[in-house]
Amino acid sequence: EPEVTQTPSHQVTQMGQEVILRCVPISNHLYFYWYRQILGQKVEFLVSFYNNEISEKSEIFDDQFSVERPDGSNFTLKIRSTKLEDSAMYFCASSEVAGAFFGQGTRLTVV
Amino acid sequence: GQQLNQSPQSMFIQEGEDVSMNCTSSSIFNTWLWYKQDPGEGPVLLIALYKAGELTSNGRLTAQFGITRKDSFLNISASIPSDVGIYFCAGLWGGSNYKLTFGKGTLLTVNP
Repeated sequence: EPEVTQTPSHQVTQMGQEVILRCVPISNHLYFYWYRQILGQKVEFLVSFYNNEISEKSEIFDDQFSVERPDGSNFTLKIRSTKLEDSAMYFCASSEVAGAFFGQGTRLTVV
Repeated sequence: GQQLNQSPQSMFIQEGEDVSMNCTSSSIFNTWLWYKQDPGEGPVLLIALYKAGELTSNGRLTAQFGITRKDSFLNISASIPSDVGIYFCAGLWGGSNYKLTFGKGTLLTVNP
């Protein structure tokens, strides 16, 4: 069964460093998303991406964040200068229409 | 932003019992989704609902899209230990085609 894959599964980084989280969405999907989940809390929308551009973003997705689809298969989330409060699970998701399928997540720990 | 009120927050039941949880909102949603999340894993899509009044089943799971488009419920029949996890409702609000709004989740514990 097709699935969304994310790497790495766990990333530890020092405050102020840049991180890139990587995702391979399901191949025939056209809509891509990043969500995050702070430990013990609900899943929060960050950004959606369609037709090679951001279609919607939340107030969390500030200038420190960027997304890119560098080739036909990868979808990345970059955090330019990490803060302690960026520590969370980051989920990539993709969909054909509504009903996003999620990856396993990357646990980001900022120290 | 739009809010989804999910209840109950947690449930502790015996194996074999039926379970019901629901989500409500003050806003109209165009799509309702139900996900299950195991510890350390990503949410897994269980059921997607696209039309008001729609009732959809997936094995022992049944979900309905409320007629008012402001609520949805999920039922699990004859629960088993592997049903343990956090169940999230999520919806696509009328003002957005892309952004899923999630409820806070229902933690289900099944006692064998």
